[in-house]
Amino acid sequence: KAGVTQTPRYLIKTRGQQVTLSCSPISGHRSVSWYQQTPGQGLQFLFEYFSETQRNKGNFPGRFSGRQFSNSRSEMNVSTLELGDSALYLCASKEQGDDPYANEQFFGPGTRLTVL
Amino acid sequence: QQQVKQSPQSLIVQKGGISIINCAYENTAFDYFPWYQQFPGKGPALLIAIRPDVSEKKEGRFTISFNKSAKQFSLHIMDSQPGDSATYFCAASIEGYQKVTFGIGTKLQVIP
Repeated sequence: KAGVTQTPRYLIKTRGQQVTLSCSPISGHRSVSWYQQTPGQGLQFLFEYFSETQRNKGNFPGRFSGRQFSNSRSEMNVSTLELGDSALYLCASKEQGDDPYANEQFFGPGTRLTVL
Repeated sequence: QQQVKQSPQSLIVQKGGISIINCAYENTAFDYFPWYQQFPGKGPALLIAIRPDVSEKKEGRFTISFNKSAKQFSLHIMDSQPGDSATYFCAASIEGYQKVTFGIGTKLQVIP
């Protein structure tokens, strides 16, 4: 099976712009989570989507939003970019079996966003 | 507020030595503690995980020790190799892989 793919891999934007990142989960995985990774904060959970619905949400401002399509692909949008949004954005997918402890999440390589 | 505190943030170990990374948590509702390994340019990958009803779990050269009363857990890498050089994240969650909370990460460098 192909792994989690994320596009683009690198992105440079300026303050005030908006950006959309894309994630294609592993085939058969219906849950997609997004994380922000920065050196000072590690990985921070943004949100999780399952069956096109946001199921969990982290503590990020409303500028960060996402959605999931019927084929489980997900997009994340950040509006009015700030310098502090520069980070590696990771997407992770997992199956939704009966045992939540067996539903390992698999990460993509991330999108490196730089805000100038 | 960091719900999972990880230390040290960087670690240099000689080849063949033991690498030790420590984590502490506050939320007693956490019931699953995975560790992730991340190489440059890659996403994190699950290394080993433990549940609080077990005090130790070993997989090859990697061992997790868990102290429920102290709310602490640690990763030991025995016979560390240069190929182990990576960033390691401890994590905690409630009910498996739901809304996983990560530590800040430890950058490990194993020198020959």
